[in-house]
Amino acid sequence: GGIITQTPKFLIGQEGQKLTLKCQQNFNHDTMYWYRQDSGKGLRLIYYSITENDLQKGDLSEGYDASREKKSSFSLTVTSAQKNEMAVFLCASSIWGISQNTLYFGAGTRLSVL
Amino acid sequence: GDSVTQTKGPVTLSEGTSLTVNCSYETKQYPTLFWYVQYPGEGPQLLFKVPKANEKGSNRGFEATYDKGTTSFHLQKASVQESDSAVYYCVLGDQGGSAKLIFGEGTKLTVSS
Repeated sequence: GGIITQTPKFLIGQEGQKLTLKCQQNFNHDTMYWYRQDSGKGLRLIYYSITENDLQKGDLSEGYDASREKKSSFSLTVTSAQKNEMAVFLCASSIWGISQNTLYFGAGTRLSVL
Repeated sequence: GDSVTQTKGPVTLSEGTSLTVNCSYETKQYPTLFWYVQYPGEGPQLLFKVPKANEKGSNRGFEATYDKGTTSFHLQKASVQESDSAVYYCVLGDQGGSAKLIFGEGTKLTVSS
């Protein structure tokens, strides 16, 4: 088995601040994802990376940057935090990048912007 | 484009009663269909998946049949327990070579004893 570790668990930021969320996986999976979870809106894909050195935009990429530093890690940056924004950011991985494969999720980073 | 529509929650049930969470999908492809479950404070985890039409998936007493004719994948359980309280997501994975999944909005289930 493996685990996905997201840091930090809770993140409080100021309006306009650049904020970075980190994700590590020890499954040795090729593909990693960042999703945003808002109450009543399900999960929306921000960025994903099929393999190391790959980066693909999801449906919600505006306002975010991502970086796949190595196979096991995938970071997400909120480029300018929006006032009163509250959401959970979920990192996931799968063995390789086709949609039939199972996603394994971390527990999430909870963002609040003052 | 592809989409998934599921029962709008929250759903509140008593222990021992039956559960149905409706899920309908739209796609031009031949998708794999999933149910994921998310317990409080955790990320979603796979409940089960069904890659082929007219087949059934099941796990932990939950089941769903991939019905291509009605484009549905309804989640059912005959007798729910308090530990089933969670958010349930119906998910569509297309077979076009994409790594992207389409999540429904989620259905929050609360089971009281």
